[in-house]
Amino acid sequence: SQTIHQWPATLVQPVGSPLSLECTVEGTSNPNLYWYRQAAGRGLQLLFYSVGIGQISSEVPQNLSASRPQDRQFILSSKKLLLSDSGFYLCAWSTSSSSYNEQFFGPGTRLTVL
Amino acid sequence: GQQLNQSPQSMFIQEGEDVSMNCTSSSIFNTWLWYKQDPGEGPVLLIALYKAGELTSNGRLTAQFGITRKDSFLNISASIPSDVGIYFCAGQYGSNTPLVFGKGTRLSVIA
Repeated sequence: SQTIHQWPATLVQPVGSPLSLECTVEGTSNPNLYWYRQAAGRGLQLLFYSVGIGQISSEVPQNLSASRPQDRQFILSSKKLLLSDSGFYLCAWSTSSSSYNEQFFGPGTRLTVL
Repeated sequence: GQQLNQSPQSMFIQEGEDVSMNCTSSSIFNTWLWYKQDPGEGPVLLIALYKAGELTSNGRLTAQFGITRKDSFLNISASIPSDVGIYFCAGQYGSNTPLVFGKGTRLSVIA
């Protein structure tokens, strides 16, 4: 069965510090991968998605970036965090071979920027 | 861009009552998905709908893909305390295109 992992689970960072969040998927090959951000009590905002290694599409221009160094690894980064970067970051995956785009979410990372 | 209107934004109901929420779109979707998110966790897929008019159940949950392909509803029968959470609808226009999410319905159940 497929599983998706995210770490760290929680993170408190000062403004201006760098960021690296990691997401890995097990039990599937060549998945589509996604990063979402969820502000407190709000909906899901798609940040990046990837259909393959090195292929990243950005949905929202901001000071975040994403990379996919391996087939089942997706990394969200920032060189300098802003207060507005605080939120709940969710990674998700879906199969690339199906016409149906059911996405399965990881447990999330709670980021607080102070 | 495509947008989803999800309503109601929040609901307070008594345990045992039935619940209904819906999503409407200005565009046609080929897939509708319903998720539930518990506090501090990632959303969990409840029901996936692939055809216009399709009605699908998952235990006490029932969801339908609207005939016009621009709407979907989710019903929960005989609510229980563990139904508390945020319910999201999501639609997909075409294969390998990102999902569009509604803003969620926050459900509170009063025992």
